[in-house]
Amino acid sequence: NAGVTQTPKFRVLKTGQSMTLLCAQDMNHEYMYWYRQDPGMGLRLIHYSVGEGTTAKGEVPDGYNVSRLKKQNFLLGLESAAPSQTSVYFCASSYWRGGAGELFFGEGSRLTVL
Amino acid sequence: KQEVTQIPAALSVPEGENLVLNCSFTDSAIYNLQWFRQDPGKGLTSLLLIQSSQREQTSGRLNASLDKSSGRSTLYIAASQPGDSATYLCAVRGYNNNDMRFGAGTRLTVKP
Repeated sequence: NAGVTQTPKFRVLKTGQSMTLLCAQDMNHEYMYWYRQDPGMGLRLIHYSVGEGTTAKGEVPDGYNVSRLKKQNFLLGLESAAPSQTSVYFCASSYWRGGAGELFFGEGSRLTVL
Repeated sequence: KQEVTQIPAALSVPEGENLVLNCSFTDSAIYNLQWFRQDPGKGLTSLLLIQSSQREQTSGRLNASLDKSSGRSTLYIAASQPGDSATYLCAVRGYNNNDMRFGAGTRLTVKP
């Protein structure tokens, strides 16, 4: 099993450009998450989804949009990138919390906004 | 709002030493707590998951304990090795939250 796969792994954008990060999981997990990790600030939740067709805001949702059209995929979009969005983005997935709720992570996507 | 704290932020020990990493959380109404390892430039690897009804979990040289009433968890690493050098993060899932809250991590260096 591949687990959680993120694409792309690296990307450089100019301010104002748009892009989409793709997360795919092959574990049939209901829950999927997008986190960002910044030095000294730990991981902060951007958006999450509790099932196909659902999305919800996390701790730092501004400037991002998400979609979950298929159970195995969770997309994170930046409509107009800003330098403050320079970060490492991690996707994660888990079963519905009634099934232990262990979190599995992808390898991360490093985004630089110039 | 759940706050998760890990102290110390960094720790350096000689090889072979037993060590304890600490994690504290402010809201004891948790569903589970998970310990992760993160190597530089890599993703998070799950080490141990403790459900709220459990007191501890063990995997090899690792032992994690949970004391909900005091809002604390510890990760015990026995006979540390240079390969254990990494950042260790803890995260808690609350009953009323669909997400997990993370601590900032403890950066561990094990010197040969």
